[in-house]
Amino acid sequence: DGGITQSPKYLFRKEGQNVTLSCEQNLNHDAMYWYRQDPGQGLRLIYYSQIVNDFQKGDIAEGYSVSREKKESFPLTVTSAQKNPTAFYLCASILSTGANTEAFFGQGTRLTVV
Amino acid sequence: EDQVTQSPEALRLQEGESSSLNCSYTVSGLRGLFWYRQDPGKGPEFLFTLYSAGEEKEKERLKATLTKKESFLHITAPKPEDSATYLCAVLMGGGGNKLTFGTGTQLKVEL
Repeated sequence: DGGITQSPKYLFRKEGQNVTLSCEQNLNHDAMYWYRQDPGQGLRLIYYSQIVNDFQKGDIAEGYSVSREKKESFPLTVTSAQKNPTAFYLCASILSTGANTEAFFGQGTRLTVV
Repeated sequence: EDQVTQSPEALRLQEGESSSLNCSYTVSGLRGLFWYRQDPGKGPEFLFTLYSAGEEKEKERLKATLTKKESFLHITAPKPEDSATYLCAVLMGGGGNKLTFGTGTQLKVEL
């Protein structure tokens, strides 16, 4: 079954800890994205990657890091430097073929700092 | 600065009462404008991609249109199951592939 898989669905972190959120896709998409969603603020772009071993900062990259060692995988690490990490995190990938472009999302990871 | 603005922030309709949601954008090199539906606690569900001014796409009770500065999502005779947050996003060109979202319109359809 093709799609984007995010894990875990819920994640709890103690203050000062780094945590890594997983995003895997089997759609053969080149571009992948990480967003953060807070109530009333829509989706804000953290990082995105167009190809393997390359990624760009989005609008709110401070306190986050990513890697893109494989086309299928784009993990996000929330570091202790992120002051307010509690949020809903969404991963997406884009298929762009000529006249057709679609961007699909995973089901999200809800991160809570305890 | 590239921006995407959605209005209204919230909309309450009676079942069968048609209306439109707006997405205005100021970006250079638009490669595509996307509409999504998002239910609480879930990832956004893809609805449409629009590419050029004058383009229209339909799906059930939804119709999306695009001009050079804005897009509308028309909802015809809505039902309570259409209640959700509707998100608009733009994909910018120039080789950047940056996908920027608006803040969404929260739609509630009542019986």
